[in-house]
Amino acid sequence: GAGVSQSPSNKVTEKGKDVELRCDPISGHTALYWYRQSLGQGLEFLIYFQGNSAPDKSGLPSDRFSAERTGGSVSTLTIQRTQQEDSAVYLCASSPRMAGYTGELFFGEGSRLTVL
Amino acid sequence: LAKTTQPISMDSYEGQEVNITCSHNNIATNDYITWYQQFPSQGPRFIIQGYKTKVTNEVASLFIPADRKSSTLSLPRVSLSDTAVYYCLAGGAGTALIFGKGTTLSVSS
Repeated sequence: GAGVSQSPSNKVTEKGKDVELRCDPISGHTALYWYRQSLGQGLEFLIYFQGNSAPDKSGLPSDRFSAERTGGSVSTLTIQRTQQEDSAVYLCASSPRMAGYTGELFFGEGSRLTVL
Repeated sequence: LAKTTQPISMDSYEGQEVNITCSHNNIATNDYITWYQQFPSQGPRFIIQGYKTKVTNEVASLFIPADRKSSTLSLPRVSLSDTAVYYCLAGGAGTALIFGKGTTLSVSS
């Protein structure tokens, strides 16, 4: 596709429910990043994939959060037993990995999660 | 832990040049410095990137001194539409790219 696509764009859920957020990176981009942005705050790093592997999961806030990537393309971020503090915009970004490439990120528009 | 430190906010008027400085004292040899702009309800977008010295594109200039411990984003002749949050990031391909808190630039008429 032309850009990074995220779905759903908006999700309202009840506390305790599980949610899945999807990211379709730019075709051919091997690196994929998830960030969380709470209202009025900066970007909080969650996890990064290189291909289907996640070299750095250090930003995942708790064991309720998990992410996977299949086929080196689509990624899913899953939040189990959602809490109100999980309410935020979840941003996905992708980046090509080529010899000498410097890691510019291309962001999607985000998935806004509201936990009631 | 973010590798960068920036001012939380800056104010300017239309037509002025704005310089935002970012500190990255522990920058690694392979790290590049990249600046992103974010408008409300949108994902950040790339502005400019550099490794050392000066880089200029159609929207901004980036100045990086020889020690690379800081960098300055320069926006010439800002307009109201430049009101946004600006993030400085130090890193490169194959690394966990961790953003700092960003600088909120407010441009007034």
